[in-house]
Amino acid sequence: EEQLVESGGGLVKPGGSLRLSCAASGFSFSSYTMNWVRQAPGQGLEWVSSISSDSTYIYYAGSVQGRFTISRDNAKNSLFLQMNSLRAEDTAVYYCARDMVFAVWGQGTTVAVSS
Amino acid sequence: DIQMTQSPSSLSASVGDRVTITCRASQSISRFLNWYQQKPGKAPNLLIYAASSLQSGFPARFSGSGSGTDFTLTISSLQPEDFATYYCQQSYSSLITFGQGTRLEIK
Repeated sequence: EEQLVESGGGLVKPGGSLRLSCAASGFSFSSYTMNWVRQAPGQGLEWVSSISSDSTYIYYAGSVQGRFTISRDNAKNSLFLQMNSLRAEDTAVYYCARDMVFAVWGQGTTVAVSS
Repeated sequence: DIQMTQSPSSLSASVGDRVTITCRASQSISRFLNWYQQKPGKAPNLLIYAASSLQSGFPARFSGSGSGTDFTLTISSLQPEDFATYYCQQSYSSLITFGQGTRLEIK
């Protein structure tokens, strides 16, 4: 079964940092572009960042550019999102998703930014 | 960035109704348009990809059409399990964008 499992969410103060992880199984992780997508409470979906299969190409939404860093470890079938300088508006459920057409999603991990 | 505009933002309908949701891109995206269904508290599920291809596991009452800038998602006969929020998403650009969502509610 193709599966993605996120972890690392939690409560953090404004200005703080958090690192999210996404563990992949059941498919050839190293062959796919991977993404982070978030959803603020009661709001719609927002694409956050993507990384190509070999990490050559990396893209960010303007709302997180310069504060978030996406990375991956193909040997460990893992995707990461380092989030720095967190703001209240970064509060959301963060999902990892596979490829440019998101056929596989994780269950999400919740990030809450509050003092 | 390519802006995706969905309409309506919410819709009330009855079981058995035919429903159409539209999605407009701010520039041509060919057929790089995907639709997702999301139920409360769950991750989204891919419903339609490449504008009109039905993802495995979804019934044929769901269909998609369009190309360029204008796209539609149609549900031919609403069933109770179809009440959810639907999102369009463009995968033409590396900077992926979603529509704001259409919440489909029971009348």
